[in-house]
Amino acid sequence: AQTVTQSQPEMSVQEAETVTLSCTYDTSENNYYLFWYKQPPSRQMILVIRQEAYKQQNATENRFSVNFQKAAKSFSLKISDSQLGDTAMYFCAFMTGNRDDKIIFGKGTRLHILP
Amino acid sequence: EPEVTQTPSHQVTQMGQEVILRCVPISNHLYFYWYRQILGQKVEFLVSFYNNEISEKSEIFDDQFSVERPDGSNFTLKIRSTKLEDSAMYFCASSDRQYNEQFFGPGTRLTVL
Repeated sequence: AQTVTQSQPEMSVQEAETVTLSCTYDTSENNYYLFWYKQPPSRQMILVIRQEAYKQQNATENRFSVNFQKAAKSFSLKISDSQLGDTAMYFCAFMTGNRDDKIIFGKGTRLHILP
Repeated sequence: EPEVTQTPSHQVTQMGQEVILRCVPISNHLYFYWYRQILGQKVEFLVSFYNNEISEKSEIFDDQFSVERPDGSNFTLKIRSTKLEDSAMYFCASSDRQYNEQFFGPGTRLTVL
């Protein structure tokens, strides 16, 4: 069975700093997708970034980038120049690419951006 | 930009009552999902739905739960006899194809008293 582990329950950083959120996962699949979702206080789930396992290049979306280490089964999220609006719960998530399409979420990291 | 909508935003019900949570997926999407998030816990998959039938369901999705696409635009989750432990945020999601990005709705907060 696939599992997603986020070892940092809560983090705080100053505005404009860079922060990295950790995620590891376990799977025997070779074809899969990884995601980072943001859940602000409104509790809406917002996709931040997505990585296909077959792509070696790390995904980037503006200030958000990932460090995808397939052999280590690690998928960390880096937020550069953090902003107050980045304050949210961040969930790492996994989906297989060929068996079922349910998303498996980690427990989340609560990120506070301090002014 | 198209989005998934859900109604109501908050539903309060008595234990044992039936509730129906409604979702309107993005119009050209064909794959539909329900997830739930008990307060303070992670988001959990409940069920996936495609071509008018359930594709997969989790252990949580027992006989008390059912899903339906009654009219080609709505996608509903029914809980027949609610329990206290059903209190959670329920998220609907949709996707245009399998293994692609799932777009989440804003959620319905269900409180069972």
